[in-house]
Amino acid sequence: SAVISQKPSRDICQRGTSLTIQCQVDSQVTMMFWYRQQPGQSLTLIATANQGSEATYESGFVIDKFPISRPNLTFSTLTVSNMSPEDSSIYLCSVQPVAATDTQYFGPGTRLTVL
Amino acid sequence: KNQVEQSPQSLIILEGKNCTLQCNYTVSPFSNLRWYKQDTGRGPVSLTIMTFSENTKSNGRYTATLDADTKQSSLHITASQLSDSASYICVVPSGTYKYIFGTGTRLKVLA
Repeated sequence: SAVISQKPSRDICQRGTSLTIQCQVDSQVTMMFWYRQQPGQSLTLIATANQGSEATYESGFVIDKFPISRPNLTFSTLTVSNMSPEDSSIYLCSVQPVAATDTQYFGPGTRLTVL
Repeated sequence: KNQVEQSPQSLIILEGKNCTLQCNYTVSPFSNLRWYKQDTGRGPVSLTIMTFSENTKSNGRYTATLDADTKQSSLHITASQLSDSASYICVVPSGTYKYIFGTGTRLKVLA
């Protein structure tokens, strides 16, 4: 299994500011993902964080809005830039361990509220 | 279009009762189907993974079924407990590291 921690667990931010969310895994993983879960909605993949290269973004998500870093095999950050109330969501980090490709583990999430 | 639909959207039951949650999918090609439990304010936690050849799989009080012909899965919870109150999400992979998530069933167990 993989134990994932996220910081912060929740935050309330002002419109126009940016927030960086950290994701730490207790073991090296190949694949790390960032998801958004808007209130009452399902999870939507934002991007795949690739170690040593730029993140791969899904349709509707761009690097300028959601810059991602992946400096090593256990850590990643997601920044939500120039926030608006529509960015209020839960942001989830997810990993797929090398030894367990059938299993996807999720972090506890970061609950973001933008005023 | 690859889709995963869940029903009911929400469900309220009394503690000790059983319930069944449904998941219909149209994802193709199909490899497996996963059920996750998501407590309020937490990330999803895997309950079970059903592969193409599996019809039934149990994890404690949770029993998942899969009918690959009709593209339906169910999650049966036996003797519900207050701690079962959560959202239950059905997920089907649609490609390499691509997953289709259902919107979930929000279960509330009352004492």
